[in-house]
Amino acid sequence: SQKIEQNSEALNIQEGKTATLTCNYTNYSPAYLQWYRQDPGRGPVFLLLIRENEKEKRKERLKVTFDTTLKQSLFHITASQPADSATYLCATHRSNDYKLSFGAGTTVTVRA
Amino acid sequence: GAVVSQHPSWVICKSGTSVKIECRSLDFQATTMFWYRQFPKQSLMLMATSNEGSKATYEQGVEKDKFLINHASLTLSTLTVTSAHPEDSSFYICSASLGQPNQPQHFGDGTRLSIL
Repeated sequence: SQKIEQNSEALNIQEGKTATLTCNYTNYSPAYLQWYRQDPGRGPVFLLLIRENEKEKRKERLKVTFDTTLKQSLFHITASQPADSATYLCATHRSNDYKLSFGAGTTVTVRA
Repeated sequence: GAVVSQHPSWVICKSGTSVKIECRSLDFQATTMFWYRQFPKQSLMLMATSNEGSKATYEQGVEKDKFLINHASLTLSTLTVTSAHPEDSSFYICSASLGQPNQPQHFGDGTRLSIL
C-alpha cells in the first residue's frame, strides 16, 4: 500500500518568512496529489491538487511542486501570516482506486 | 464552495450505548461519502466508503457490525457506532466527493466521540 511521509511533525517560523513542507511517498507513483489544511478540532479543507504532469501549481501565497523522480511534493507558504498556523496534510489516491491515503501532517506555527 | 455538514460535533455517552453521526452534503449531490477516524497527532484513517443505494465498503480491520453505515440519499450518510466502548473514543470525520481521484474531498467538521 502507499506510504506517505511528511518529514516534519512541526514547523515554527517567523511571520513574513516562507514555510516549506515536504511530502514523500513510496511504492507507486500517483496521478494526482492533494494538499489539505486542518485546524484543531475541525475537518480538513482542500487547498490544492497537482497532477503528475504538472511541475508546479500556485494559489495565492501557496505553491506546490511535484517531482515524480524523487517521489516528493513540496508545499510552500510564502509571506506567512499567523493565520496560516494549522496542520497541513498531504494525500494521494491509492493505486487501485480513488480513495485517499493521508500523511500524518505537519503542524505549522507562524510567530508574529 | 462545497459544504458538508456533520452532526453532532461532540458526544459524550456511557459505555454500551449506540451513537449515530450524520453527514450531509448541503450544496451538491455526493456520489460517494467517506468515513474516517483520527487519533491525536495521527493521520486520517479511512474506515469505510459509502455509496448511495448500495452497501458500504469497509476497510480491512473495521468491523461492519460495529460501525453501521447507511447512505439513504445523495446528500445523507450516517454512521452508527453500536455498543460503544471507551476504545471507540475518537474523532470521526466524514467527507463527500464525486468519487474520482482528480476531485477533492469536502470534509465535515468532525464529531468528537467520548465513551465513558
